[in-house]
Amino acid sequence: GAVVSQHPSRVICKSGTSVKIECRSLDFQATTMFWYRQFPKQSLMLMATSNEGSKATYEQGVEKDKFLINHASLTLSTLTVTSAHPEDSSFYICSAPRTEVDTQYFGPGTRLTVL
Amino acid sequence: GDSVTQMEGPVTLSEEACLTINCTYTATGYPSLFWYVQYPGEGLQLLLKATKADDKGSNKGFEATYRKETTSFHLEKGSVQVSDSAVYFCALSEIAPDKLIFGTGTRLQVFP
Repeated sequence: GAVVSQHPSRVICKSGTSVKIECRSLDFQATTMFWYRQFPKQSLMLMATSNEGSKATYEQGVEKDKFLINHASLTLSTLTVTSAHPEDSSFYICSAPRTEVDTQYFGPGTRLTVL
Repeated sequence: GDSVTQMEGPVTLSEEACLTINCTYTATGYPSLFWYVQYPGEGLQLLLKATKADDKGSNKGFEATYRKETTSFHLEKGSVQVSDSAVYFCALSEIAPDKLIFGTGTRLQVFP
């Protein structure tokens, strides 16, 4: 069964609104989670590293004021796309590493469509 | 910077055919290499991995060998099944399991 969940799986919103995406580790604690973005027929691109109890670390070129990340607990990280625009439409995927088995577990992804 | 290149899909095969999906990488150091699989409607799952040169990762009949001399990590399976239909991603990490760098993914379609 899934060990990392994402909610919602799909969201459609109007331009200018904000959208929150949740990522949960279901049966393990994750002090670190990762957020990726995937465009059609392209690679998953790492956006940021979410750190429990501290600020997220953003990859070069990712606007931290645009993509707000909050690692609220050891099992929950949220990504908020603020003032969304059509160019933010994409597939967002989170992952959480489980260090005791040296493996990252991925959520099923959230498809965001901004009209 | 580090990068991963994998063959474009889709790859279409009949059941029991042989599969090879090519993957090559560019890295400054000695990365760990991974193959992830994404079944329809599900999250990416680790299929296999190799952490050093000449290591062979294997799982569910799939194999891949870490070839440092050719900077490759090709995915192979001798006899595919319909249930293998999915998207396969090659990836590397300099600090496993942290910060994965992915290829573009290759869709495999297996028909009975």
